Amino acid sequence: KAGVTQTPRYLIKTRGQQVTLSCSPISGHRSVSWYQQTPGQGLQFLFEYFSETQRNKGNFPGRFSGRQFSNSRSEMNVSTLELGDSALYLCASSWGTSGMEKLFFGSGTQLSVL
Amino acid sequence: SQQGEEDPQALSIQEGENATMNCSYKTSINNLQWYRQNSGRGLVHLILIRSNEREKHSGRLRVTLDTSKKSSSLLITASRAADTASYFCATDRGGSNYKLTFGKGTLLTVNP
Repeated sequence: KAGVTQTPRYLIKTRGQQVTLSCSPISGHRSVSWYQQTPGQGLQFLFEYFSETQRNKGNFPGRFSGRQFSNSRSEMNVSTLELGDSALYLCASSWGTSGMEKLFFGSGTQLSVL
Repeated sequence: SQQGEEDPQALSIQEGENATMNCSYKTSINNLQWYRQNSGRGLVHLILIRSNEREKHSGRLRVTLDTSKKSSSLLITASRAADTASYFCATDRGGSNYKLTFGKGTLLTVNP
């Protein structure tokens, strides 16, 4: 069974640009969560989707958005990039039907904003 | 703000020794999980303990939970060099919260 796949693995952008990150969950998983990881702030929750509906959102500005498609694949978008958006963005999937049980993480997308 | 806080921030031991990491949290929880992360890669789930459980074992891992003290500990016995990683606790408040709140982690180095 394939794991959680995140693309791209690395990304370099400049300030002001926008970026879209992609996540394919484990087959059958309907919940996808996104986290931002930085050395200073650690792992910060961005949002969680289940069956195309956002069930929770973290404390990030509106520049951060996401969506989930009918096949459970998810994308997150960051517009008007800032230097502080440089981070490892992690996606995780789970069955999603009984709260936040075991999450399966992808390897992440390392975003560098110059 | 982080729900979980791990202690210590870094731990260095020799192969064969036991490693103990602690986690404290602030609010009531539904369950608590421990994850491992190798050098900036994705996290790997290790073990989940529910709020009504006090202790759980999985292989060389032993987790305890004390809800009265809002704390948990992860013990890795007979450590190996391959256990070198960052370890995070994560809490879930249950209900319709649908998120895990992670601590900042303990960096464990196991020297051969």
